Amino acid sequence: DVKVTQSSRYLVKRTGEKVFLECVQDMDHENMFWYRQDPGLGLRLIYFSYDVKMKEKGDIPEGYSVSREKKERFSLILESASTNQTSMYLCASSLAGGWDEQFFGPGTRLTVL
Amino acid sequence: DAKTTQPPSMDCAEGRAANLPCNHSTISGNEYVYWYRQIHSQGPQYIIHGLKNNETNEMASLIITEDRKSSTLILPHATLRDTAVYYCIVRVARPSPGNTGKLIFGQGTTLQVKP
Repeated sequence: DVKVTQSSRYLVKRTGEKVFLECVQDMDHENMFWYRQDPGLGLRLIYFSYDVKMKEKGDIPEGYSVSREKKERFSLILESASTNQTSMYLCASSLAGGWDEQFFGPGTRLTVL
Repeated sequence: DAKTTQPPSMDCAEGRAANLPCNHSTISGNEYVYWYRQIHSQGPQYIIHGLKNNETNEMASLIITEDRKSSTLILPHATLRDTAVYYCIVRVARPSPGNTGKLIFGQGTTLQVKP
């Protein structure tokens, strides 16, 4: 069974902390994506990567960075967490080219106090 | 911005067909129609996609109008487990610089399947 896993389902952090969200996929997919989901705003793309060490900004990259050192792992980093980054974070992966279906992880609900 | 318009909510009786409409009047010739759904507290799940011909798989059928300005997702025999938010998305089938497969999710349709 294909899988995208995320390191935590729930996370609580304090303002100013550095936060790492990890995503791992076992499908040998080239593309990986990070979204955040907020009520009334749908899913918004933060960053994506189409190869190891490659990354591109999505629609809302401010306050975030990413790391893709291995093909199967894509990390989202909040350098200094703020309360407006409280959200559901979703990781996804897809085959090269991007036209194939994206497989999503279960999500991490992050609360920043 | 999402390029699709969907009703915010719909109800369906268990065992009956659920027909979820989507308008995408500005769709381009090289854009596909994708459907995803999201069950509460889970990540989105791919359902089906198509270009201009009707498509069917084990989950659903997709009917696209001849002018491609609208489509309908059909769940032939809805069950309680089909209660979810359904997203209709249009996107290019082949990537280009700066557009590598990203999905733009709008607000979707909340489908409530009732016993």
